[in-house]
Amino acid sequence: DAKTTQPTSMDCAEGRAANLPCNHSTISGNEYVYWYRQIHSQGPQYIIHGLKNNETNEMASLIITEDRKSSTLILPHATLRDTAVYYCIVRVSGKSTFGDGTTLTVKP
Amino acid sequence: GAVVSQHPSWVICKSGTSVKIECRSLDFQATTMFWYRQFPKQSLMLMATSNEGSKATYEQGVEKDKFLINHASLTLSTLTVTSAHPEDSSFYICSARGPGGGKNIQYFGAGTRLSVL
Repeated sequence: DAKTTQPTSMDCAEGRAANLPCNHSTISGNEYVYWYRQIHSQGPQYIIHGLKNNETNEMASLIITEDRKSSTLILPHATLRDTAVYYCIVRVSGKSTFGDGTTLTVKP
Repeated sequence: GAVVSQHPSWVICKSGTSVKIECRSLDFQATTMFWYRQFPKQSLMLMATSNEGSKATYEQGVEKDKFLINHASLTLSTLTVTSAHPEDSSFYICSARGPGGGKNIQYFGAGTRLSVL
């Protein structure tokens, strides 16, 4: 599975969009990009995934660059409850390997 | 849909005892489940992959005789921490591969916090 690089931490004002970047420059053609988040002391929560097209669901949008070497998770209107560690994972199938993720802190 | 239930959520035990953690996929069948461990302020570490009806595949460095995994049905996998010691105290999280079109999505349980005295 390809390695991912994410910033250690980010802050966002409540109500504003949170844009979380992820670099995956060694991604191969059949690997998907998955995003999960983990709120303190809970199990990870699936957010969204994509292959090469941009994706949107009720939680977030995923923007994948044309060369697929990086992606951005967008939370359009962040709330205090979105404060969590966000993980970007790249894989074909099977098990997910978690890196250190980005700690997003949404501030009032 | 795609709910994974984990039980218990919190367990305290004495050193030397064994603890069993259950992981159930409530509304779908999961041929593959995963077990993770997470220490404070660290990321999740995969311990093993559990396939229904066959032996689990353990990650390097994880003692299979210490962490017994049983995946007896399509909706239930169990992790037994045998002869637990204080260093086994951790947050244990199970995950199941999703159903149907979302079969490559992993859904996670809420986790079990184990404290060994």
